[in-house]
Amino acid sequence: EPEVTQTPSHQVTQMGQEVILRCVPISNHLYFYWYRQILGQKVEFLVSFYNNEISEKSEIFDDQFSVERPDGSNFTLKIRSTKLEDSAMYFCASTLDYGYTFGSGTRLTVV
Amino acid sequence: QQQVKQSPQSLIVQKGGISIINCAYENTAFDYFPWYQQFPGKGPALLIAIRPDVSEKKEGRFTISFNKSAKQFSLHIMDSQPGDSATYFCAAGPGDTGNQFYFGTGTSLTVIP
Repeated sequence: EPEVTQTPSHQVTQMGQEVILRCVPISNHLYFYWYRQILGQKVEFLVSFYNNEISEKSEIFDDQFSVERPDGSNFTLKIRSTKLEDSAMYFCASTLDYGYTFGSGTRLTVV
Repeated sequence: QQQVKQSPQSLIVQKGGISIINCAYENTAFDYFPWYQQFPGKGPALLIAIRPDVSEKKEGRFTISFNKSAKQFSLHIMDSQPGDSATYFCAAGPGDTGNQFYFGTGTSLTVIP
């Protein structure tokens, strides 16, 4: 069964540092998403991406965040200057129509 | 504003019993309602989903009941098994792909043998 692959599985970074979270969506999917889940809390939408541009973004997705699909297979989330409150599980998802397929997530810990 | 409200927060069910998780949504423009199952350390996995043109959808032991007028939908797990122990999230969103889905706060289900 096709999977969404995320790397790394766990990243520890110092506050103020830049991080890049990587995702390989399912190859024939057209819509890509980043969500995050703070420990024990609900899944929160960050951004959706279609046709090489952002379709929708949430209030969380401020100027410190950016997304890119650099090479037609990878989909990345960059946080320019991490804050302590950015610590969370970050999930990439992709879909062809409506049902998302989520990756296993990257646990980001900002210290 | 919480677009999707989910209850209960946690649920303990005996093996073989029925687990019921409820969700309510705010926006009448929503027309796709998925349920996700999440095991520790894993991403949410799509379990079952429904559109508002039907009141019920069944897939194996999992059934979604949908009440459009009340803006509520629920997940029923029949013959619950210990392997069903996980966190379940409901979600709701508009029909246009590319728009965000709003997730409930999750229900931690424990099925005891």
